[in-house]
Amino acid sequence: GQSLEQPSEVTAVEGAIVQINCTYQTSGFYGLSWYQQHDGGAPTFLSYNALDGLEETGRFSSFLSRSDSYGYLLLQELQMKDSASYFCAVRSDTGRRALTFGSGTRLQVQP
Amino acid sequence: NAGVTQTPKFQVLKTGQSMTLQCAQDMNHEYMSWYRQDPGMGLRLIHYSVGAGITDQGEVPNGYNVSRSTTEDFPLRLLSAAPSQTSVYFCASSPAGLAKNIQYFGAGTRLSVL
Repeated sequence: GQSLEQPSEVTAVEGAIVQINCTYQTSGFYGLSWYQQHDGGAPTFLSYNALDGLEETGRFSSFLSRSDSYGYLLLQELQMKDSASYFCAVRSDTGRRALTFGSGTRLQVQP
Repeated sequence: NAGVTQTPKFQVLKTGQSMTLQCAQDMNHEYMSWYRQDPGMGLRLIHYSVGAGITDQGEVPNGYNVSRSTTEDFPLRLLSAAPSQTSVYFCASSPAGLAKNIQYFGAGTRLSVL
């Protein structure tokens, strides 16, 4: 089966850098995605890695190591609005283009 | 740009009642899916559809039915609501062929079953 492991909670201060790790197990790998979800909101797409290395999108970067089944999301210059839950996800074994999500990491940004 | 629209936003049901959660998208996406999210957990796939007339089960399909008569609409039917179905339900759509497999989510339906 598939599984994704990520820390349940991370706390950081405004302006700092935080890294959210994700390890995964899946039979077929089609890339690692990251989604952000604010309380009461819908998940929104942040980043995607199909190949090893770093992808940068503004203040957010995502890294993938396929040999280690590991990735991380890096958030720089943290802002209060970055307080949210962050989910890593891989393509589901059961649902073709559907995703299997990790349990999420709740990021609290403190002033 | 409406994107993915879910109705209702909130619903309270009694055990044994049935209801349909509506989902519509205006992006002409072939792929649609339903997830449920329980407190402190990730999203779990209930059912999905790869196009009009084609549906299949996901990870947690029991107690739910779906149909896909048009590209735009993908309703989720609760046959006989149970307290275990209290959850937040998200509908998502995705265009075919996009390598990034970006899922576009609706705002969710918050369902309580008493």
